[in-house]
Amino acid sequence: AQRVTQPEKLLSVFKGAPVELKCNYSYSGSPELFWYVQYSRQRLQLLLRHISRESIKGFTADLNKGETSFHLKKPFAQEEDSAMYYCALKAGNTGKLIFGQGTTLQVKP
Amino acid sequence: AAGVIQSPRHLIKEKRETATLKCYPIPRHDTVYWYQQGPGQDPQFLISFYEKMQSDKGSIPDRFSAQQFSDYHSELNMSSLELGDSALYFCASSFGTENTEAFFGQGTRLTVV
Repeated sequence: AQRVTQPEKLLSVFKGAPVELKCNYSYSGSPELFWYVQYSRQRLQLLLRHISRESIKGFTADLNKGETSFHLKKPFAQEEDSAMYYCALKAGNTGKLIFGQGTTLQVKP
Repeated sequence: AAGVIQSPRHLIKEKRETATLKCYPIPRHDTVYWYQQGPGQDPQFLISFYEKMQSDKGSIPDRFSAQQFSDYHSELNMSSLELGDSALYFCASSFGTENTEAFFGQGTRLTVV
């Protein structure tokens, strides 16, 4: 079965603290994974994709095929990072995405 | 830069009515995806089109239909609306499906009363 799991609905940290948003996936093929972010009242935006291996806004994510995980990390959280974060799996070659349940990141001053 | 445009932004319908949601992709994008996000739920894939042909189908009720037109815009038609159809409907577009980013619209919030 194709599935993405984000175990935490809410993650609350203080500014400057490290952040790790967890994502686990289940997929029989070669996975292509993404992190999308949704700031308040805005559209979903791509934050990271595992194949590009970039660091965006200080966030990184490494695909761990052994643990079937794609956790999102940032060493020092900023207040402007407060948003909803979705982990997503591209399933098949039609481009459709399977989303996790989302994690709300709340960064307190 | 032009983004994905969805209309209307908000829609209120009564049970058993019909609704049509529109999606205008980014210029030159040939692929459109529709997702449904219920309250407190993750976005669920409904249907997609590539070059005006249906390319994939997810958990889309038989009461819903969609198409992509010659100018690549897409419409999602929803009939016999039920209370459970109340959700945020996202459209996304991309240029092809390989090694490409999907760009999302702001969504249409449908409320069925």
